[in-house]
Amino acid sequence: EAQVTQNPRYLITVTGKKLTVTCSQNMNHEYMSWYRQDPGLGLRQIYYSMNVEVTDKGDVPEGYKVSRKEKRNFPLILESPSPNQTSLYFCASSFRAGNTIYFGEGSWLTVV
Amino acid sequence: GDSVTQMEGPVTLSEEAFLTINCTYTATGYPSLFWYVQYPGEGLQLLLKATKADDKGSNKGFEATYRKETTSFHLEKGSVQVSDSAVYFCALGDSGAGSYQLTFGKGTKLSVIP
Repeated sequence: EAQVTQNPRYLITVTGKKLTVTCSQNMNHEYMSWYRQDPGLGLRQIYYSMNVEVTDKGDVPEGYKVSRKEKRNFPLILESPSPNQTSLYFCASSFRAGNTIYFGEGSWLTVV
Repeated sequence: GDSVTQMEGPVTLSEEAFLTINCTYTATGYPSLFWYVQYPGEGLQLLLKATKADDKGSNKGFEATYRKETTSFHLEKGSVQVSDSAVYFCALGDSGAGSYQLTFGKGTKLSVIP
């Protein structure tokens, strides 16, 4: 089954404790991206990757890092999480940029 | 930069009513336009898309036409059902030099009552 899988789905963590949200897709997609969804703000793109070893900033990259060492995985790293990073995060992928984008089920992150 | 503006919600309709959710955009290039739907507790699913001017996207009774002259991509459905209750996002996909960004509107929550 074609899917985008994110982990963890739910996490409560403390300020400053590094965490990684993993994202994996099984569709051999080139394009992957991360979004955060906040009430009244819709979805905002954090980072995206056009292909392996190619990443670029989206609209709200501050406080986040990503890597794309292999095609299927695109982890989102919060080196020192802060409460303003409390949000619902979505990973997404598509065959190529511009094709239909498939979303993961979301990861609820709370930073206290 | 690119931006998407969609009508504020929430929108509440009775079953079988006509639905319009307005969406306008600004973009520097020739973007593709999308409508995504998010059902409660779920991720986003593509509802329909249009890749060039005058294209009409349609799916599950929903339609939207890419209007370059008015920079709009309004979502319509002739007769809504309770199962259409969800949050709807208009989005724009724009390619630059070696880049591609998907920009979303803020979402419109639709509630359909029996």
